[in-house]
Amino acid sequence: AQSVTQLGSHVSVSEGALVLLRCNYSSSVPPYLFWYVQYPNQGLQLLLKYTSAATLVKGINGFEAEFKKSETSFHLTKPSAHMSDAAEYFCAVSESNQGGKLIFGQGTELSVKP
Amino acid sequence: NAGVTQTPKFQVLKTGQSMTLQCAQDMNHNSMYWYRQDPGMGLRLIYYSASEGTTDKGEVPNGYNVSRLNKREFSLRLESAAPSQTSVYFCASRPAAGPFTEAFFGQGTRLTVV
Repeated sequence: AQSVTQLGSHVSVSEGALVLLRCNYSSSVPPYLFWYVQYPNQGLQLLLKYTSAATLVKGINGFEAEFKKSETSFHLTKPSAHMSDAAEYFCAVSESNQGGKLIFGQGTELSVKP
Repeated sequence: NAGVTQTPKFQVLKTGQSMTLQCAQDMNHNSMYWYRQDPGMGLRLIYYSASEGTTDKGEVPNGYNVSRLNKREFSLRLESAAPSQTSVYFCASRPAAGPFTEAFFGQGTRLTVV
């Protein structure tokens, strides 16, 4: 079964610093990977997705993620953190069949210090 | 655009009571999902429906039942609520275009079982 593991349940950075949130996947077939963000008391919204078209994927709000098959990773980065980036971030993997399961990681809470 | 609508937003139940969480989407999506979110556990898939007329178990189906009433609506039922079912429940939907499609989430239902 496909799964994702997020390393670090909580990450704290200073405003303007690099953001790095880690995600590793387990899949026997090419994965379809996603990053979602959840702001307090809200549902989840899509940041970006990997669909094999390009290994470096750009998303909203200046975030990007790089797919590395050799490391089975799909880490999320942002060069310069902003206070508004404070939220919980989830990595997810989709089954390859249409309408299949969408499985989420444990989540990483990002705090941004002024 | 309403998107994915969940009702109710908040609910307190006594142990042993039953209730149904409602979810409706107006985007003509084929696939619908129910998740529960608990601190440190991320989002765990309870049940999903790849298309109208089909439902399948997810990671944590025990204690729950679902009904895909029609293409728009996917309900989650707790027959005999237990304190372990205290959680935030999210409904999501995806179009049928393939495993790379984005999931759209409702705002969640915060359920407390006392």
